[in-house]
Amino acid sequence: EDKVVQSPLSLVVHEGDTVTLNCSYEVTNFRSLLWYKQEKKAPTFLFMLTSSGIEKKSGRLSSILDKKELFSILNITATQTGDSAIYLCAVGGSNYKLTFGKGTLLTVNP
Amino acid sequence: EAGVAQSPRYKIIEKRQSVAFWCNPISGHATLYWYQQILGQGPKLLIQFQNNGVVDDSQLPKDRFSAERLKGVDSTLKIQPAKLEDSAVYLCASSSSRDVGRYTFGSGTRLTVV
Repeated sequence: EDKVVQSPLSLVVHEGDTVTLNCSYEVTNFRSLLWYKQEKKAPTFLFMLTSSGIEKKSGRLSSILDKKELFSILNITATQTGDSAIYLCAVGGSNYKLTFGKGTLLTVNP
Repeated sequence: EAGVAQSPRYKIIEKRQSVAFWCNPISGHATLYWYQQILGQGPKLLIQFQNNGVVDDSQLPKDRFSAERLKGVDSTLKIQPAKLEDSAVYLCASSSSRDVGRYTFGSGTRLTVV
């Protein structure tokens, strides 16, 4: 059975801090790893990673995948209160079915 | 492009009642997914459709849950009879054949079973 483990489960920081969210996985027929941000109900897409060692970057957010060690990290620099959300890691396996982790609840205090 | 549409937004029912959710994916997206997200957990796949065929329903509790996508466009998910543990957000997502692994999610339906 495919498995995705995220850590930490929750994190409280102050505006301006840098955070690193972790995601490790076990999946057969790995195709991709995705990060989503969930603020209310609908998860919104952040990144999709398919190749090891390549960093994806969008503004203050960046992510990297290590296919050998089976993990990914999501970095957020200079955090803002608007970054407060649940960050979901998902791995795409057979049939591109996504298996999600439990998420990391990030709270950014002013 | 218009997003994934879901309705209703909220639903409260008593246990043993039935309920149905509706989803209209992004136009042209062949693959449609229903996920269940219980509070504090990540989304769990219930069923995956490719056009109007089922690709994966291995985690769908078939004694009470059913889903269909008759014309390969919109889809309905039904629960009959509902149990307390079915209280969750039900998310619909779709993806295109050009970008298969990348899902777009709808806003979800929050179901409360009392």
